[in-house]
Amino acid sequence: VHLVESGGGVVQPGRSLRLSCAASGFTFSDCGMHWVRQAPGKGLEWVAIISYDGSNRNYADSMKGRFAISRDNSKNTLYLQLNSLRAEDTAVYYCATRPQHNTTHWGQGTLVTVSS
Amino acid sequence: SYELTQPPSVSVSPGQTARITCSGDALPKEYAYWFQQKSGRAPVLVMYKDTERPSGIPERFSGSSSGTTVTLTISGVQAEDEADYYCQSADSSASYWVFGGGTKLTVL
Repeated sequence: VHLVESGGGVVQPGRSLRLSCAASGFTFSDCGMHWVRQAPGKGLEWVAIISYDGSNRNYADSMKGRFAISRDNSKNTLYLQLNSLRAEDTAVYYCATRPQHNTTHWGQGTLVTVSS
Repeated sequence: SYELTQPPSVSVSPGQTARITCSGDALPKEYAYWFQQKSGRAPVLVMYKDTERPSGIPERFSGSSSGTTVTLTISGVQAEDEADYYCQSADSSASYWVFGGGTKLTVL
């Protein structure tokens, strides 16, 4: 199983960024997918979930309306659109999935830095 | 959503037993999962469904549950166990995850 995030970088406050998570080694289209972030020196914070087929999505309250999770099962890729970025959105963003109770797969993370 | 509460830090000497607690009102109804995270790396699952240990995780890691508190116990702590530990749970429909604030385990 391999999850590889990309798309991070330095962005100015108020701007947008789209993160991607390329999946391989498992049946991506069978699995719900999550984004989790970690600000520098801070703990893990759940961001969003999307169901296996994209029909259901949910977000952490603090990110509703600014972030959008989506997926393309034909490309085995998960996305996170980050809009109206703030300094406090600076974090490593991980994609993750739990195909069974005894397994949770994580990517290596991509760093988003919001700074002028 | 709801909250999970962990102590910020736990310190033990090598060979001793470390206990890290996680409290939350939903824990009697929902499973807890524990992750180990070493500096700069992605989290690793060390316990699932409160008390089950994934393959490849040493037997010195164990989990327990009582009421609104779950506990990760590391018996015979080794220097390599020094890390941040996070509990995690979800609602019954798995429509969101919630993480505890994390506990830094220091091996003295």
